[in-house]
Order: sequence, then C-alpha cells, then structure tokens
Amino acid sequence: DAGVIQSPRHEVTEMGQEVTLRCKPISGHNSLFWYRQTMMRGLELLIYFNNNVPIDDSGMPEDRFSAKMPNASFSTLKIQPSEPRDSAVYFCASSSGLAGVLIYEQYFGPGTRLTVT
Amino acid sequence: GQQLNQSPQSMFIQEGEDVSMNCTSSSIFNTWLWYKQDPGEGPVLLIALYKAGELTSNGRLTAQFGITRKDSFLNISASIPSDVGIYFCAGQQTSYDKVIFGPGTSLSVIP
Repeated sequence: DAGVIQSPRHEVTEMGQEVTLRCKPISGHNSLFWYRQTMMRGLELLIYFNNNVPIDDSGMPEDRFSAKMPNASFSTLKIQPSEPRDSAVYFCASSSGLAGVLIYEQYFGPGTRLTVT
Repeated sequence: GQQLNQSPQSMFIQEGEDVSMNCTSSSIFNTWLWYKQDPGEGPVLLIALYKAGELTSNGRLTAQFGITRKDSFLNISASIPSDVGIYFCAGQQTSYDKVIFGPGTSLSVIP
C-alpha cells in the first residue's frame, strides 16, 4: 500500500493568500485526521472525519480554517486568508474501524511544511 | 483539556546504552500508543497497548501499560544511531474519544 499521501510537501506563501493542503488516506480506511505540529504547541488535532463526515472540528483554530472530505479517498484543509502564525507542519492521518469508533492505530502521512511570510 | 506529560524532554546517550522514558496523565486511559517521528517525516506507530499491566515488545523496544492506567513506559535496549528521533506517547480514554499526544521525548544517540 502507498500509505497516506499528502501534497504539497512544502508550501511557501505570502500572508493573505489562500492555501490548500491535500490528503489521500490509505485505501479502506474510514477515519481521517488533520493535525498541526509546531515547536510551541506540539501535535494538535484540528479535525477528524469518519466515513467522510466531520465528527469533531473543535481543534480548528478559527474560521479561516476549513476542511472537506468529498469522498473516501480525498480530503482538503484550506486556510483563507493565511497568516504567519499558521506556519507549521500539517499532517494527515487515517485509520480504520467501525462507524463512530476511532481505532487508535493512526497512520500518518509525511506532512506538508507550510511557511507563511 | 486533557494533557499528557512526557519525561525526559530530551536525552543524549551513547550507542549501546538502554533508554527509558515515560508518559503520565492525571486521568485514566484505556489505550496507550507510542510513536516515533524521524526528522522531516510523520509519526510512525511503534507499539499499541490495550490492557493495564500489558507488556509488549517490538524488537528492541518494550512498552508497558501502567497498572494505574495513568501512565506508560517505553524502553529501548542497546540503542543504535537510527533510534534518533522524537518519541511521542498518545492516549485514548475510550474508543470514542480522540487520541491525545504528549509533547514528545527527543532522543539523540552518540556513536
């Protein structure tokens, strides 16, 4: 299996621009997670989906952040407008399990390193 | 919110030495996970623990689910240079809760 695929691997953008991060989960997995990692705050869960439905978005920092999962094999995390404090590594992870049950063995993608200048 | 604490924050050891690190919580967890993150990569699951007192090995790695269910331990025997990285513990209180990650322990191995 190819594992979780994320694109782009690196993104440099100017403040105010829209940023879209993409994720393809492992085939057959039905839960998808978006995390943000910074030195100051560590690894933070932003949002997760189960069977393409957003379950908990309480970790999304503010309205500038939005995430979608239009089908089982694709998800996006969008930041509009971006700010320098959004600079971080964004990880996507996926896992499999019964509906509503978050199986703990999450498999992470390689991450997208975002720099907002 | 719920937090996990990891100690030590960082370690510098000689190649061949054994390593011990731990993870603690103020609340009970039903599942403990240990991940390793190499530079520039995503975390990779090393060991998952599901029962209090459980001791599980993966090669030179051994992890234990604390009896109180509020802590977990990871040991690495005979460290090698490729053990370098950040080790995260993660916990889940029930199968319906999100996984919470600790701040990590950074391991450096001196050849």
